[in-house]
Amino acid sequence: QVQLVESGGGVVQSGRSLRLSCAASGFTFSSYTIHWVRQAPGKGLEWVALIWHDGSYKYCADSVQGRFTISRDPSKNTVYLQMNSLRAEDTAVYYCARDRGGGTFDSDYWGQGTLVTVSS
Amino acid sequence: QSALTQPASVSGSPGQSITISCTGTSSDVGDYNYVSWYQQHPGKAPKLMIYEVYNRPSGVSNRFSGSKSGNTASLTISGLQAEDEAAYYCSSYTRTISLHVLFGGGTKLTVL
Repeated sequence: QVQLVESGGGVVQSGRSLRLSCAASGFTFSSYTIHWVRQAPGKGLEWVALIWHDGSYKYCADSVQGRFTISRDPSKNTVYLQMNSLRAEDTAVYYCARDRGGGTFDSDYWGQGTLVTVSS
Repeated sequence: QSALTQPASVSGSPGQSITISCTGTSSDVGDYNYVSWYQQHPGKAPKLMIYEVYNRPSGVSNRFSGSKSGNTASLTISGLQAEDEAAYYCSSYTRTISLHVLFGGGTKLTVL
């Protein structure tokens, strides 16, 4: 069965870095775009980044552009989100999600999320 | 870019129908049939309920339906059940260069 498992969250001081991982299984990893979506406590969903199935295209939202980098390792079936210069407003549960495919940018499978808390 | 606009809350009694609206612009909802809807129960990950405006993934009840008119998409839930109580988010592809995916602010559905 399709599974996405996030890890790497935790408490970090403002200005520091953290790397999140999203381990995928149960499907052909190299065939799917992966998204990162976050949710601040008590707030709505915010799209953060995506990386194409083959890694040839990646993009981060304006709110994290220049601070966050998305990458993937096909040998480990894992997508990463490198988060630098973290700010209090980056505090959120971070979900990775599999794009359903077909260029429609919706996600049919989501991980359980990992909580990132940025303290000042 | 602002999020898509959804009502903060809606409510209905068991068996009734409710509709949640999602208003965007001609750069997102109005320009593409790439609107999706997600259900999220507290403490859980979102679940895809509708994709490409009106399509249901396998396993999603046919009580859930989607539609779109102009810049506004809608999710209708018929025959409300207690387990439908959750937050619902719409999402759309956007051609705004700073984003690819736009979410609505979310709507809390209360089943009375």
